[in-house]
Amino acid sequence: DQQVKQNSPSLSVQEGRISILNCDYTNSMFDYFLWYKKYPAEGPTFLISISSIKDKNEDGRFTVFLNKSAKHLSLHIVPSQPGDSAVYFCAASASGGSQGNLIFGKGTKLSVKP
Amino acid sequence: DTAVSQTPKYLVTQMGNDKSIKCEQNLGHDTMYWYKQDSKKFLKIMFSYNNKELIINETVPNRFSPKSPDKAHLNLHINSLELGDSAVYFCASSQYRGKAFFGQGTRLTVV
Repeated sequence: DQQVKQNSPSLSVQEGRISILNCDYTNSMFDYFLWYKKYPAEGPTFLISISSIKDKNEDGRFTVFLNKSAKHLSLHIVPSQPGDSAVYFCAASASGGSQGNLIFGKGTKLSVKP
Repeated sequence: DTAVSQTPKYLVTQMGNDKSIKCEQNLGHDTMYWYKQDSKKFLKIMFSYNNKELIINETVPNRFSPKSPDKAHLNLHINSLELGDSAVYFCASSQYRGKAFFGQGTRLTVV
């Protein structure tokens, strides 16, 4: 039972254009969402997060949008750079229960072409 | 200085053996985790542990056990290794409900 879904396994974008990575979730108890970036043979590294009390969070070239009614979030990268090529994981957590445990999506492999 | 370090990076072992993976964090975080990334690339939580509570994912076989000698360490012990245990195992740490920092991963291959 996938509570966090990333339905696009891969995405290819031209350098300088916008990359949009999407994530859907099913658990209405999730109230904290994160994006991680992962290079081969390395651990995931934190990119950006958003709390459910917000609908947008921006950090430099990275912006995360949250649509609670649709249970959907997206990561925008603009402008995209070749160094952004990596696997991007969406993750979510809920207060109560297994506090702090991140539930991950399957990842989207982003390729940014020069 | 590596924030979350785990050793070894690669581990090849035979079925039936017992092995351990070590993890240390120097971030002063109060919670540590073990995640498993299987062949389908899913990252699944196995355990979360702080000084008060161990939470075990119910799908994890009891051959897997976390051991925490102190707040900065959470080692993973695996008994009677099986072929299906082959995966990449990631250690992570965070402050309670904060962003998690991950180690580089340990690729375990059971032959």
